[in-house]
Amino acid sequence: DQQVKQNSPSLSVQEGRISILNCDYTNSMFDYFLWYKKYPAEGPTFLISISSIKDKNEDGRFTVFLNKSAKHLSLHIVPSQPGDSAVYFCAASEDNNNDMRFGAGTRLTVKP
Amino acid sequence: KAGVTQTPRYLIKTRGQQVTLSCSPISGHRSVSWYQQTPGQGLQFLFEYFSETQRNKGNFPGRFSGRQFSNSRSEMNVSTLELGDSALYLCASGTSGANVLTFGAGSRLTVL
Repeated sequence: DQQVKQNSPSLSVQEGRISILNCDYTNSMFDYFLWYKKYPAEGPTFLISISSIKDKNEDGRFTVFLNKSAKHLSLHIVPSQPGDSAVYFCAASEDNNNDMRFGAGTRLTVKP
Repeated sequence: KAGVTQTPRYLIKTRGQQVTLSCSPISGHRSVSWYQQTPGQGLQFLFEYFSETQRNKGNFPGRFSGRQFSNSRSEMNVSTLELGDSALYLCASGTSGANVLTFGAGSRLTVL
């Protein structure tokens, strides 16, 4: 039962353009959402998060948007850089709970 | 400070054997979670331990087990290995209810 879904296995964008990665979830009890980035041969690293009391959180070039009614969140990277090329995982949990569920990941390729 | 350390990094086993993987969390982190990563499936939650007690468990068969020691170090064991157990096993540590997990680099298991 995949409670967190990333329907796009891959995404390719040109350097300088916007990258938009999408994520959907089914469990209405989730109220904390995160994005992790993973390079080959390394573990995932935390990128940005958002609590359900917000609909937007921004950190530099990275912005996460949350639409609770649609059970959808997205990660925007502007401008995209070649170093952003990695696999991005969306994750969700109930607040104050380390039982975190992940999507299948989206491989982002940023072309110079 | 030191990150999450997983050993061994790579190992090869044959069907029917068992394997034990080790994880040393970040100092002060009492929560340790285990995930299985396979292509197309993303990170599948195995279990989470906190203060030597299994607090959450994913949907894996009983062949997958774990434990946590008083120093927060954790081990996971897979018995009667099957070809489908070939995967990257990731350990993550965190503080209780902090939501953000810090991952190790993983242990890549190949079952022949």
